[in-house]
Amino acid sequence: DVKVTQSSRYLVKRTGEKVFLECVQDMDHENMFWYRQDPGLGLRLIYFSYDVKMKEKGDIPEGYSVSREKKERFSLILESASTNQTSMYLCASGDWDEQYFGPGTRLTVT
Amino acid sequence: DAKTTQPPSMDCAEGRAANLPCNHSTISGNEYVYWYRQIHSQGPQYIIHGLKNNETNEMASLIITEDRKSSTLILPHATLRDTAVYYCIVRAQGAQKLVFGQGTRLTINP
Repeated sequence: DVKVTQSSRYLVKRTGEKVFLECVQDMDHENMFWYRQDPGLGLRLIYFSYDVKMKEKGDIPEGYSVSREKKERFSLILESASTNQTSMYLCASGDWDEQYFGPGTRLTVT
Repeated sequence: DAKTTQPPSMDCAEGRAANLPCNHSTISGNEYVYWYRQIHSQGPQYIIHGLKNNETNEMASLIITEDRKSSTLILPHATLRDTAVYYCIVRAQGAQKLVFGQGTRLTINP
């Protein structure tokens, strides 16, 4: 079974803090994705990566950056967390047809 | 990508077939229909996808109308564990993202 793991299920950070969300997949997938999910807005793509050290902006990249130093790991970085970044963050890996999602990290910025 | 329309909620009795409709009247010839579901507190899970022929796998069947303007996801023998939000997504092959709408909240009742 494909496994996508995320470093935390719940996280509480203060405004202005730098936040790292980690995602690891064990299926040797080229593509990895970061989404955020908010009530009434569905899932929105933040960034994706199709290879090590490669990244592409999704629909809402502002305020975020990413890092992919190893194939299995894709990190989402909030350089200076703000309250409007309180959300559920979902990582996925796979091809464009079939994406495997992690359990999500619920981030609260206070 | 073509827009999809799904009922916001549906109920089904345990053991019966759950039939989830999706309207995608503006679908283009190169666009596929994908179904994902999201069980509470988990990341989305891929179910099935198709272009124009009906598809079946171990989870579900996908019936696409001849004009491709609508489709139905069928869970043949629904269980309580099938309670989830089901997303119908239309996407061109090679397009870079999946766009998740609001989905249908399916409740399986004992």
